[in-house]
This record gives sequence, C-alpha cells and structure tokens, in this order.
Amino acid sequence: GAVVSQHPSRVICKSGTSVKIECRSLDFQATTMFWYRQFPKQSLMLMATSNEGSKATYEQGVEKDKFLINHASLTLSTLTVTSAHPEDSSFYICSADGQGKSIQYFGAGTRLSVL
Amino acid sequence: KQEVTQIPAALSVPEGENLVLNCSFTDSAIYNLQWFRQDPGKGLTSLLLIQSSQREQTSGRLNASLDKSSGRSTLYIAASQPGDSATYLCAVASNQAGTALIFGKGTTLSVSS
Repeated sequence: GAVVSQHPSRVICKSGTSVKIECRSLDFQATTMFWYRQFPKQSLMLMATSNEGSKATYEQGVEKDKFLINHASLTLSTLTVTSAHPEDSSFYICSADGQGKSIQYFGAGTRLSVL
Repeated sequence: KQEVTQIPAALSVPEGENLVLNCSFTDSAIYNLQWFRQDPGKGLTSLLLIQSSQREQTSGRLNASLDKSSGRSTLYIAASQPGDSATYLCAVASNQAGTALIFGKGTTLSVSS
C-alpha cells in the first residue's frame, strides 16, 4: 500500500525559532500534497494545497509568509513554520494524493510544541 | 461551502455492544467519503472509503453506509472491543479529483471492558 512518511514526529522548540517538517511519499509519486493542522479536540483543518513545481495555495486565514511550503519533487513536500510562537503549537499532518484519485494517504503527523 | 458534522461527539459503551456513528454533510456533490480512526496524539488510519457511486463498504466488524442524496453516512461497529476506543473521523472529498478532504470533528469512542 501507499506509504507517506512524515518527520519529525515531535518537535519542542523555543519561541522565535523556525521548524521544518518533511512529508515524503515513499512508493508513489504525488503531484499534490496537503497540509492540515489540528488543535486539541478540534478536527483537521486544511492549511494549504501543495502542487509539485508551483506555489502552494493557502486557505483563508493561513499566513503564507509564516508557513512556507516547498514541493520541489514528486515525492517530497516541506512545511517550515517560521518564527514559531506558542500559538503555533499544534498537530500538523500531511497527506499525499494518490495520483489524482482523491484517495489520500496520510503521514503520522508532527506534534509541535513552542515554548 | 461543504460542512461535515458528526454526532455524537462522544460515546461510551460496554464491551460487546453494537454501535452506530453518524456523519452528515451539507453538499451532496462528493467524490468519496472516508472514515478514519485516530488514536490520541497519533495520525490517521483509514478504515473505509466509499466512492460516491457506492452505498456501503465493509471491513471486518466495520460497515459504512452512504446516502449521498440525504447527505448522510453511518459507521456501524459490531461487537465493540476496548481496542476500538479512539476518535473516529468522517471526511468527504468534493466532486473533483485531487482536492483536499473536509473533516468532521469526530466522535470519541470509549469501550469499557
């Protein structure tokens, strides 16, 4: 089956630092990857849609200069949280679209804690 | 704008009981609907995927139904076990391939032994 690897699984950092999260499709090519965020006891909310070789499309209310997304290859997308603050503490999870069939394969998620 | 609602928000049952989780969505123009399981602090495990043309899918003790015209889906869990304790999420894909999923807030299930 399709596997999506997400690293790191857990990050604790100081306020003001930047954190990079990687999302890799291990055994398939993903032209589209999605980044979601989940606050405690809330559902997953889409942050941005990442297409290989083009700029990401951000959802309303998500700061594109704060959440930098790079999708340089068909198997790798990265999310960089720049100048992280405590309110950015959340669970970030990526998914990769299985060849445009709307079957998404999810990474294991990254728990970000900003002190 | 698509909205997904899950009822109940939480459910506690004794082991062995059959149960039903409900999911409703406002826009019936969906591509597919998925049920996921999420354990505390963990990622998502896909349980069942129902394409828009299908009425139900079954996997082991799980059965998911889809009534697209009424905007409803149910997840039936037979003979519940303590290991079934988790949050169950319903998500829909819009009527277009390659689009993001819209999630409900989930139902947190607790099965006591």
